[in-house]
Amino acid sequence: AQSVTQPDIHITVSEGASLELRCNYSYGATPYLFWYVQSPGQGLQLLLKYFSGDTLVQGIKGFEAEFKRSQSSFNLRKPSVHWSDAAEYFCAVARSYNTDKLIFGTGTRLQVFP
Amino acid sequence: DAGITQSPRHKVTETGTPVTLRCHQTENHRYMYWYRQDPGHGLRLIHYSYGVKDTDKGEVSDGYSVSRSKTEDFLLTLESATSSQTSVYFCAITRTRGGDTQYFGPGTRLTVL
Repeated sequence: AQSVTQPDIHITVSEGASLELRCNYSYGATPYLFWYVQSPGQGLQLLLKYFSGDTLVQGIKGFEAEFKRSQSSFNLRKPSVHWSDAAEYFCAVARSYNTDKLIFGTGTRLQVFP
Repeated sequence: DAGITQSPRHKVTETGTPVTLRCHQTENHRYMYWYRQDPGHGLRLIHYSYGVKDTDKGEVSDGYSVSRSKTEDFLLTLESATSSQTSVYFCAITRTRGGDTQYFGPGTRLTVL
């Protein structure tokens, strides 16, 4: 069965520092991978997704993620964090060509200090 | 932003009462989903719909039922609410099943006392 692990429940960074949020998945074939962000009291917004092709994916708000098949990882990165990036981040996986059965990780809450 | 609204946005109810949550979309997307979000669990799929009158169970469907009589509306019903169903409920839509993105509504916070 598919599963997603986000090992960091809570991360705190200073504004302007770099950020990496970890995501590991378990799936036999190449999955479809997503990162969503949830601001307090809001719904989920798609940051980026990987379906195929270039393993480095660019998203909105200056985020990028790299798919590493050998490590079963899809880590989210941002070179310089802004205070407005404080939110909860969810990694999700779906089977190839069937993206309606999303499996979500438990989320990583990002806190940004000025 | 995808045209998805959820109502009510907040609800407090008592154990044993029926509750219906509504998801309304203006995108004419065929596929709709109900998730619940709980601390330590992320989002988990409750039910989904592939079209009018075409629904199926997700991972955590016990205690929930759904109906879809129109493309734009997907209703989630708790027949007899329990405290374990206190959660934040999200609706999502997508245009296709393959290689497409799910777009989420703003959520409904339900508290069952």
